[in-house]
Amino acid sequence: QVKLQQSGAELVKPGASVKLSCKTSGYTFSTSYMSWFKQIPGQSIEWIGMIYAGDGGTGYNQKFKGKATLTVDTSSSTAYMDLSSLTTEDSAVYFCARGTEWGQGTLVTVSS
Amino acid sequence: DVVLTQTPPTLSATIGQSVSISCRSSQSLLDSDGDTYLNWLLQRPGQSPQLLIYSVSNLESGVPNRFSGSGSETDFTLKISGVEAEDLGVYYCMQATHAPWTFGGGTKLELK
Repeated sequence: QVKLQQSGAELVKPGASVKLSCKTSGYTFSTSYMSWFKQIPGQSIEWIGMIYAGDGGTGYNQKFKGKATLTVDTSSSTAYMDLSSLTTEDSAVYFCARGTEWGQGTLVTVSS
Repeated sequence: DVVLTQTPPTLSATIGQSVSISCRSSQSLLDSDGDTYLNWLLQRPGQSPQLLIYSVSNLESGVPNRFSGSGSETDFTLKISGVEAEDLGVYYCMQATHAPWTFGGGTKLELK
């Protein structure tokens, strides 16, 4: 059974960075892609980008280049997303997803 | 970027009623490989999105067959033949033919 377990909610100050995690189980992590999405509560969903765990190759939505950095740790079957130079516009729920499976989401709140 | 326009934004239905949601794309979603990467997802209140239909008309495993998808190129439809209480939430169309992947604005299905 595929499972994606995301890290807990974050409260961060403007200008700071945060690293979100997505720990996986139930499938071969090293030969799969992982996508990340952003959803401001009450709004639609945006695709941030994806990473291939086999070689760390990435593809980003141009809108999120410089904002999000995707990485993986194959030894722990975990995907990460770094968000930098946070502003209030980055306050949202962030999801990881692989194929048809989605994580439960991580709420990031940017506030002073 | 590809713009997906969903209508209606809100849909009120009674249990057992059949309903349809439209998704129109700003450009053809027919890929050069012959497939059309238009998916439908449901996000129930407080939950992660769930894939219902992929590539226009293919029912995801475990999804009830009262859900069906149709369409081609730029016009797509999701039909629910006999709404049940568990179907309430926000429906999104999503395209993965053109980078970046994009989502429609959502259609909220509620009980009348």
